[in-house]
Amino acid sequence: DTEVTQTPKHLVMGMTNKKSLKCEQHMGHRAMYWYKQKAKKPPELMFVYSYEKLSINESVPSRFSPECPNSSLLNLHLHALQPEDSALYLCASSQEEDLVAKNIQYFGAGTRLSVL
Amino acid sequence: SQQGEEDPQALSIQEGENATMNCSYKTSINNLQWYRQNSGRGLVHLILIRSNEREKHSGRLRVTLDTSKKSSSLLITASRAADTASYFCATDRGDNYGQNFVFGPGTRLSVLP
Repeated sequence: DTEVTQTPKHLVMGMTNKKSLKCEQHMGHRAMYWYKQKAKKPPELMFVYSYEKLSINESVPSRFSPECPNSSLLNLHLHALQPEDSALYLCASSQEEDLVAKNIQYFGAGTRLSVL
Repeated sequence: SQQGEEDPQALSIQEGENATMNCSYKTSINNLQWYRQNSGRGLVHLILIRSNEREKHSGRLRVTLDTSKKSSSLLITASRAADTASYFCATDRGDNYGQNFVFGPGTRLSVLP
């Protein structure tokens, strides 16, 4: 199974709402990632979890709160978002065993988020 | 600033033709990768080339790496309509951490039947 599953596929929320994005993988990968991608732009790294610990936070605003409850699951909690946060949010995972394996990331199909 | 930069930004070719995309980067790297993204979907890893390699093949894909020029190219031979997608290069930051890498702006390839 080389699949990373993201739910929901689409999400519309108001600026006062609280919602969560979910990501799941069963490949035994110990690194998981959140990316944000605006239209016609490359993905931008937001967070990296390594062995369920937050290892990279790319200065993301606190209205985005990641959580890694176990090695297979990654959540992104959203609160008080702005319209400019509308984007495709991608989850990815990778192995941790060596430098090359770490670089090869497996992506989910993404959650398309619209903030009204 | 971005580590990887692709050119061209958009490329339109006929089915059966070859497509070449280029990527330049600024700092030293351990590896360079190419990913494909179909419209609005997740990225799919295509190929990884290490900094000590000059060329690598995978099916219809050929990747070259010139570390002296800090550039790479992706060649897709005998293109098909299904190759229509955005192609991104991704470079690491040359450290031992390996996970924090940067995508270039991408090339949007259209293969016309």
